[in-house]
Amino acid sequence: QKEVEQDPGPLSVPEGAIVSLNCTYSNSAFQYFMWYRQYSRKGPELLMYTYSSGNKEDGRFTAQVDKSSKYISLFIRDSQPSDSATYLCAMSPTGGNKLVFGAGTILRVKS
Amino acid sequence: DGGITQSPKYLFRKEGQNVTLSCEQNLNHDAMYWYRQDPGQGLRLIYYSQIVNDFQKGDIAEGYSVSREKKESFPLTVTSAQKNPTAFYLCASSADGGQPKNIQYFGAGTRLSVL
Repeated sequence: QKEVEQDPGPLSVPEGAIVSLNCTYSNSAFQYFMWYRQYSRKGPELLMYTYSSGNKEDGRFTAQVDKSSKYISLFIRDSQPSDSATYLCAMSPTGGNKLVFGAGTILRVKS
Repeated sequence: DGGITQSPKYLFRKEGQNVTLSCEQNLNHDAMYWYRQDPGQGLRLIYYSQIVNDFQKGDIAEGYSVSREKKESFPLTVTSAQKNPTAFYLCASSADGGQPKNIQYFGAGTRLSVL
């Protein structure tokens, strides 16, 4: 079993929809949680960064961490065609700088 | 303009040939990383370096080699021993002083194909 599980999709939604992207993990030592966005043939770019449990909001994006369930989510409100990309979750334990990545979810927002 | 520069963008390897991928950063980051990305498999760590003249194997180091002679540079060599080198290669770096040292910033990638 992989340490981090992420549904590869593709997930297709109409423009304006609320998108929910999720990852589950097995290592209870993970404390830092990140979401990266990767456009086709480009490098990943950091979207959201959270520590431990709770919510974090940045514009149309909200990251949630539920450590009791070992489950993290990224919500995108009012989705746009420009949000079409692969979304990668990543996480690491305290004191470590190595990241463990999910396989990535392909998101397609149709206009 | 601070960032991570990978070159070349596309690279072709002939059978039995070693090829070297370049990665340079001007972010003054101590730690640097190389990942391999295959469709549907996410990012897999090849090698990483936390300080000049030191590096550690990641999860899939076989058939690859690295050097870290300068803080700014972390080249990756794909050797002839790597039998399935076709992939997208990503270089990343992170700060190693203070938090958050585990946030990694990525270059634009190099796509390697076998002729």
